[in-house]
Amino acid sequence: SQTIHQWPATLVQPVGSPLSLECTVEGTSNPNLYWYRQAAGRGLQLLFYSVGIGQISSEVPQNLSASRPQDRQFILSSKKLLLSDSGFYLCAWDSNSNTGELFFGEGSRLTVL
Amino acid sequence: KQEVTQIPAALSVPEGENLVLNCSFTDSAIYNLQWFRQDPGKGLTSLLLIQSSQREQTSGRLNASLDKSSGRSTLYIAASQPGDSATYLCAVKTDSWGKLQFGAGTQVVVTP
Repeated sequence: SQTIHQWPATLVQPVGSPLSLECTVEGTSNPNLYWYRQAAGRGLQLLFYSVGIGQISSEVPQNLSASRPQDRQFILSSKKLLLSDSGFYLCAWDSNSNTGELFFGEGSRLTVL
Repeated sequence: KQEVTQIPAALSVPEGENLVLNCSFTDSAIYNLQWFRQDPGKGLTSLLLIQSSQREQTSGRLNASLDKSSGRSTLYIAASQPGDSATYLCAVKTDSWGKLQFGAGTQVVVTP
């Protein structure tokens, strides 16, 4: 069966520090991968998506970037965090099909102080 | 632009009552609609996926209907239990590559 893992689960970082959140999927190949952010009192916002290795699309211009170095690995990064980057970050995957079901990881809670 | 609305934003029912959660969307040209459950501080758990050609899906005590022409989906949870307390989100897939447009969710509390 397919599983998705995210880490770290919780992160407290000072303003201006770098960020790296990692997501890996097991049990499938060539998945579509997504990074969403859920800010307090707001809905889920799609940040990045990837349909293959090295292929990244950004939905919202921001202080973050994403990379996909391997088929089932998706990384969210920042060189210098802002206070507004605080939130709950969720990685998700679906199969390479337009009727696929989307599955989410457990999330990473980021607090920028 | 597709907009997804969930009403009510919050709902409290006594244990044993049936739950009815509503989701509406503005553009009927969808690929599918998915219902999720989110517990506090946790990720989203997929509950039901309804393809655009389907009218409903069922899983145990859960039943979700889809009426594309009116832009509505309803999630029914029969005989609610305290363990059903969570936030329920609906999401509509509008693009072929899988972008979901989410509603803001309905926070459900089932009291013993």
